[in-house]
Amino acid sequence: AQSVTQLGSHVSVSEGALVLLRCNYSSSVPPYLFWYVQYPNQGLQLLLKYTTGATLVKGINGFEAEFKKSETSFHLTKPSAHMSDAAEYFCAVIAYNQGGKLIFGQGTELSVKP
Amino acid sequence: GAVVSQHPSRVICKSGTSVKIECRSLDFQATTMFWYRQFPKKSLMLMATSNEGSKATYEQGVEKDKFLINHASLTLSTLTVTSAHPEDSSFYICSAREWKTPYNEQFFGPGTRLTVL
Repeated sequence: AQSVTQLGSHVSVSEGALVLLRCNYSSSVPPYLFWYVQYPNQGLQLLLKYTTGATLVKGINGFEAEFKKSETSFHLTKPSAHMSDAAEYFCAVIAYNQGGKLIFGQGTELSVKP
Repeated sequence: GAVVSQHPSRVICKSGTSVKIECRSLDFQATTMFWYRQFPKKSLMLMATSNEGSKATYEQGVEKDKFLINHASLTLSTLTVTSAHPEDSSFYICSAREWKTPYNEQFFGPGTRLTVL
């Protein structure tokens, strides 16, 4: 069965600092992995996804993530945080043996200090 | 492309009444739609999966008679919360998947905030 673990329910960084949000997955088959962002009282917006091919994936708003099979990780990074990056971030994996539904991590709230 | 809408965005109702939430795929045909519930500061909890023209598949612990799901067309799914009570107050989010998407990406709606008084 597939699962996702996000380390740290809350991360706080200063504006301009590096953002690192951690995600580890468990999957018995090659995973399809996603990072979503959610702003207050809104739905989820796809930041980036890994399916196959290049392990370094670039997304919107300057975010990127690297798929590391040996570490079963898919951490999200951004070189320089902006105030507008403050939001909730979810890592997710597709569960192929469960009708292709998304399995979400617990979420990480990112705060950006001026 | 791949836009999903929800209506209403916010609804307040009295305890005991029923509320219907619509989820529409605006520019693609959604063979599968998903309904999630999200509590404050929590992750999304999948409630059910609906395939167009067939009965929804509910997750364990979700009352199918309380949360009625209909997916009558390739662009519309509805969630009806029957005899709503204050504990049903939550943020409900739908997502839709197009049949031809190779990696099963889901596109999410903006959510509906339900408050039951």
